Amino acid sequence: QKEVEQNSGPLSVPEGAIASLNCTYSDRVSQSFFWYRQYSGKSPELIMSIYSNGDKEDGRFTAQLNKASQYVSLLIRDSQPSDSATYLCAVKGRRGGATNKLIFGTGTLLAVQP
Amino acid sequence: DAGVIQSPRHEVTEMGQEVTLRCKPISGHDYLFWYRQTMMRGLELLIYFNNNVPIDDSGMPEDRFSAKMPNASFSTLKIQPSEPRDSAVYFCASRSTGNSNQPQHFGDGTRLSIL
Repeated sequence: QKEVEQNSGPLSVPEGAIASLNCTYSDRVSQSFFWYRQYSGKSPELIMSIYSNGDKEDGRFTAQLNKASQYVSLLIRDSQPSDSATYLCAVKGRRGGATNKLIFGTGTLLAVQP
Repeated sequence: DAGVIQSPRHEVTEMGQEVTLRCKPISGHDYLFWYRQTMMRGLELLIYFNNNVPIDDSGMPEDRFSAKMPNASFSTLKIQPSEPRDSAVYFCASRSTGNSNQPQHFGDGTRLSIL
């Protein structure tokens, strides 16, 4: 079992729709979770972080965390073609030196159709 | 402010050759991370430094890989000898000290092709 799992996609949604990206993780003691966006040929950039169960909203983005189910998701409302990218889920360890390490999923490719 | 600077942006070389990738972290950042990204395995952490000291190199795939950080503003990742399976995009990232939830800032990456 991979430490962080994502559906590779592509996830195709029409412009204006809600895009839902999902991620599961295996280490139950993980405490911090991040979503990075990576445009084709570019470097990852952080768009959301979440540490507590529930929802966290930032503009059109909402991160959702359920530690009991070891599940984290990212919702993008009013999807725009400019949101088309690969979205990487990352989990940070809790113990010792692992608190400085991010474990990334392989990413989900999102395609927003105009 | 300048971000993380990596060089070269692209490198094409023949197998068996030595490859050196370079990284300049953001000034004032105490943590530096080297990642490798491939389609099959995604983004993998190879090694990270704190205050120029290697802390965790468990992700370094083989002895052919080595990394150094001689000072706070420069790090290298070296592959010797290189093999075709080393072809990937290599990213360097840096982070400020303090709260470990501070974001990592990535460089533009080096796209490495080993023929």
